[in-house]
Amino acid sequence: KAGVTQTPRYLIKTRGQQVTLSCSPISGHRSVSWYQQTPGQGLQFLFEYFSETQRNKGNFPGRFSGRQFSNSRSEMNVSTLELGDSALYLCASSPDPENNEKLFFGSGTQLSVL
Amino acid sequence: AQTVTQSQPEMSVQEAETVTLSCTYDTSENNYYLFWYKQPPSRQMILVIRQEAYKQQNATENRFSVNFQKAAKSFSLKISDSQLGDTAMYFCAFMINFGNEKLTFGTGTRLTIIP
Repeated sequence: KAGVTQTPRYLIKTRGQQVTLSCSPISGHRSVSWYQQTPGQGLQFLFEYFSETQRNKGNFPGRFSGRQFSNSRSEMNVSTLELGDSALYLCASSPDPENNEKLFFGSGTQLSVL
Repeated sequence: AQTVTQSQPEMSVQEAETVTLSCTYDTSENNYYLFWYKQPPSRQMILVIRQEAYKQQNATENRFSVNFQKAAKSFSLKISDSQLGDTAMYFCAFMINFGNEKLTFGTGTRLTIIP
């Protein structure tokens, strides 16, 4: 069974641009969550989707948004990029609410904003 | 709000020795999950071990075991017979169960196994 797949692995953007990151969960997993990892702030929860609905949201500005498709694949979008958005963005998937303690992570997308 | 504290930014130990990583947390919840994740240079977060708060017995997974002290809100990870492949960042994390996927992470401990 394939693991959580995140694309692209690396991304370089300039300030003011927008970016879309993709996450394909493990087959059969219906929940997808996103985390931002930076040296200064550590790992912070962005949001979580289940059955195409956002269930939880972290403390990030509205420039950060996401969505989930009917096949459970998820995308996150960051608009009007700032230098501080440079980070590793990790996606995790889990099977269902009753089994949500088993989170499986992808290898992340490293975003650099210049 | 939940907080997770890892007070050891870096640790190193000789190969084959035993090392213990510390973690404390703060919560008003009674039911929750605690985790240790490993992040090697590949960047992927790998689950090492999981503990349910309602279980008194400490979790073990091969060379990895935890010392869970619920009253003290302490959750340390012991790695026995350490191996070079154990070199990584280790994160302690907290989750409230049942429909809440949000993990709260500590700041991590960088563990180096010395040959």
